[in-house]
Amino acid sequence: QVHFVQSGAEVKEPGASLKVSCKPSGYSFANFALHWVRQAPGQSPEWMGWINLANGNTEYSQKFQGRVSISRDTSANTSFLELSRLRSEDTALYHCARARRAFDFSYAALDYWGQGALVTVSS
Amino acid sequence: EIVLTQSPGTLSLSPGERVTLSCRASQTVSGSYLAWYQQKPGQAPRLLIYDVSSRTTGIPDRFSGSGSGTDFTLTISRLEPEDFAVYYCQLYGGSLVFGRGTKLEIK
Repeated sequence: QVHFVQSGAEVKEPGASLKVSCKPSGYSFANFALHWVRQAPGQSPEWMGWINLANGNTEYSQKFQGRVSISRDTSANTSFLELSRLRSEDTALYHCARARRAFDFSYAALDYWGQGALVTVSS
Repeated sequence: EIVLTQSPGTLSLSPGERVTLSCRASQTVSGSYLAWYQQKPGQAPRLLIYDVSSRTTGIPDRFSGSGSGTDFTLTISRLEPEDFAVYYCQLYGGSLVFGRGTKLEIK
């Protein structure tokens, strides 16, 4: 079945960068776009961007433009989210999630979610 | 950017009751690009409804979605104890945004 392995919890200082990973299994890696969504404690989910795992094309939320980068390592079937210039408001669970439809490389409903990587930004 | 407003913020109901949750968009939504998610504490969101009214495989038929334009609803015909959770609507046409959620709590 579809499953995601995400990297573990991290504590970062303000101004630092984070890099979290997501390794899907149970389906053809390159056939589905992968989205990254974060959720701060007690808040609603917030979309950050997505990646076409076949060719590496990405699209980002305007809110994070210039600070975010999503990439993939096809040899390891893994995607990465990087966020720079961290501030306390970036404390959140960072989820990867799969677009529901194969070959739907755009905005999408998200049918499978990883459990999230908890990132705490604190000095 | 389109903003999704969910109301009410919290609802206190009893098992067996019928409930309708509202999601209103700040602009007309073109196409049927609206989804609903259920989230329980400590869990990731779970996709219930996509394309306004299509149920994801395995979702009970007591859950139904409807709407168009700027107004969308999720209806649970008869609440079961496991339905008490937070529900989010999500737009995915032209952008990808989530509402702020409605919390269903047991009365």
